[in-house]
Amino acid sequence: EAGVAQSPRYKIIEKRQSVAFWCNPISGHATLYWYQQILGQGPKLLIQFQNNGVVDDSQLPKDRFSAERLKGVDSTLKIQPAKLEDSAVYLCASSLGVTAYEQYFGPGTRLTVT
Amino acid sequence: GESVGLHLPTLSVQEGDNSIINCAYSNSASDYFIWYKQESGKGPQFIIDIRSNMDKRQGQRVTVLLNKTVKHLSLQIAATQPGDSAVYFCAESGNYQLIWGAGTKLIIKP
Repeated sequence: EAGVAQSPRYKIIEKRQSVAFWCNPISGHATLYWYQQILGQGPKLLIQFQNNGVVDDSQLPKDRFSAERLKGVDSTLKIQPAKLEDSAVYLCASSLGVTAYEQYFGPGTRLTVT
Repeated sequence: GESVGLHLPTLSVQEGDNSIINCAYSNSASDYFIWYKQESGKGPQFIIDIRSNMDKRQGQRVTVLLNKTVKHLSLQIAATQPGDSAVYFCAESGNYQLIWGAGTKLIIKP
């Protein structure tokens, strides 16, 4: 089966610019996660969707980050405006359901903010 | 179970030897634990899991041990190969999410 797809793979922007990331989860997976991973650290959950509803966005910096999953399949994560400290890898993952802890990850998008 | 800073703990192992990667978890109520492998430039990949009612589970070349008394988890890799080079993360279940531990970088010496 196809894995989790993400694009772009790499993005370089200047601070105060905006950027968007796209994720297509594994077919049939109801739960979708966006993580931020800073070099040398484990993934940090930003937002978790169950179908098109938000389960948890408590660690999402809502003044600059937004995410949506309108039809319960694909999702986009946006940063506007970007700061230097947003430089990280943004990982998308999916799982069968909210109680399914086995998550499948995409390759990530490496964001560099200059 | 939050991650540490930029300097990952590192384990160097001779090719062919066994590797043991350790992890301390925080929540005694967690009922599910997972080990993930993350290769350079890739997302984490599921390796093996274990439920809290077990103390050992074996997979292909990997074994996970759970010691609930001291809240300790370990991953044993038998006959370590160059392809095992990666950062390994443990994660514990909590409130419908995974709580990620600090990673360990495994380096294979030829």
